[in-house]
Amino acid sequence: DAGVIQSPRHEVTEMGQEVTLRCKPISGHNSLFWYRQTMMRGLELLIYFNNNVPIDDSGMPEDRFSAKMPNASFSTLKIQPSEPRDSAVYFCASSHGQNYGYTFGSGTRLTVV
Amino acid sequence: QQPVQSPQAVILREGEDAVINCSSSKALYSVHWYRQKHGEAPVFLMILLKGGEQKGHEKISASFNEKKQQSSLYLTASQLSYSGTYFCGTRAGVTGGGNKLTFGTGTQLKVEL
Repeated sequence: DAGVIQSPRHEVTEMGQEVTLRCKPISGHNSLFWYRQTMMRGLELLIYFNNNVPIDDSGMPEDRFSAKMPNASFSTLKIQPSEPRDSAVYFCASSHGQNYGYTFGSGTRLTVV
Repeated sequence: QQPVQSPQAVILREGEDAVINCSSSKALYSVHWYRQKHGEAPVFLMILLKGGEQKGHEKISASFNEKKQQSSLYLTASQLSYSGTYFCGTRAGVTGGGNKLTFGTGTQLKVEL
């Protein structure tokens, strides 16, 4: 099993540009999560999906952020327009269910200049 | 609200023991523990479900006291490979409140020779 696959690993973009982060969860996992990690705020949940359906997006900072999961093997997190305060490491994780641990992807380090 | 972990940081000599605590202001359904090495993704260690069970494998174990809304992670005979940041992740509510975790503030652990 290749684990949770995220791309790109690093992204440097200018303020105002659109950024799209991608995630392929582990096959058979029915829950997918997007987290953001910063020194100041730690690991924050942005949104999570169960069976491809968004369940809780209360952590999405504002309308500039959107996430989709068109099928069981792919999800995207989009930021448009990006701002310097969006700079962080974005992790995607998947899980088999409520009583199972999360498997995290390697993360995308986003820098907005 | 984010669970609070203590201590914030700890330095050990190889072979020493450590305890990391995680405290929540909410009733908990389950507690996860993860370890994150610098520049890497968090890695799942174990999950504890309500019922006060204690789990462990090899020299790392954990307990969960649902009445006190607390969990503790025990590392015995520490090894250099134990170095990293440890996070608890909590699922709140009587039935779990969905499949999402709120991560704690983190504990940096460094093991030295």
